[in-house]
Amino acid sequence: DIVMTQSPDSLAVSLGERATINCKSSQSVLYTSTNNNYLAWYQQKPGQPPKLLIYWASTRESGVPDRFSGSGSGTDFTLTISSLQAEDVAVYYCQQYYSAPLTFGGGTKVAIK
Amino acid sequence: EVQLVESGGGLVQPGGSLRLSCAASGFTFSDYWMGWVRQAPGKGLEWVATIKQDESEKYYVDSVKGRFTVSRDNPKNSVYLQMNSLRVEDTAVYYCARGGWSPSDYWGQGTLVTVSS
Repeated sequence: DIVMTQSPDSLAVSLGERATINCKSSQSVLYTSTNNNYLAWYQQKPGQPPKLLIYWASTRESGVPDRFSGSGSGTDFTLTISSLQAEDVAVYYCQQYYSAPLTFGGGTKVAIK
Repeated sequence: EVQLVESGGGLVQPGGSLRLSCAASGFTFSDYWMGWVRQAPGKGLEWVATIKQDESEKYYVDSVKGRFTVSRDNPKNSVYLQMNSLRVEDTAVYYCARGGWSPSDYWGQGTLVTVSS
C-alpha cells in the first residue's frame, strides 16, 4: 500500500499570508508513460463533504480560486495557498489514485493566526 | 447539476448488516467509476471501495474485504455498499463519490453508520 504522509498536522497563518502543506508518498505516484502524477488535494470544511481542489498534482479544478496551487512530482508534493482568506479555514487532504488501495494523507488543519 | 445522495445509514449492532445506497443524477452514470469513502468521527478520510462502470472490476480496502460488497445498477443510476459482519470500528460517515482511478470530483453529503450495542 502507498502511505501518504502530510505535514504539518496543523498550521495557523495570518490573513493574507502564505500557507504551505506538504505531502509525501511512500512510493512514486508518477505514471511515466503519461508523465502524470496521480495525486489530488481536497478541502473539507466542518460538516461538509470533501471538495476537490487540485488533481494531477497541479491542475486546479474548475471554480477553485487561483490562490490555490499544487506542485511536486514523484513522491513529494505541496499545496500552497498564496494569500489565506477566512473561508480557507478547513482541513486539507492529499490522496493518491495511482494504485489500490487509494490512500489519503492524515490531513492538515489550517486556521487563522 | 451533478448530485449524489446517500441513504441507508443508521444504528446497527456489532455483527449486523446494512445496505447503503447512492442515487446519482446530472451526469451519465454508466460512464464513470464510482466509489465509497468513509470518515470516522473526528478522524480523516479512508477510501473503502471502488467499482468500474460495468462491474467487471471492484477494489476494497483490506479492512473490509470479505465483509463489504460494492455493486451498481446503471439503469437506476445507483451504487450500493452491502456491509455485513459490521464492527464497532466501521462507525463512520460514508460518502459516495464519483471516480475511481481518477480524482473524486463529486461527493454526496454522506450517511452516518453507527455500530454499537
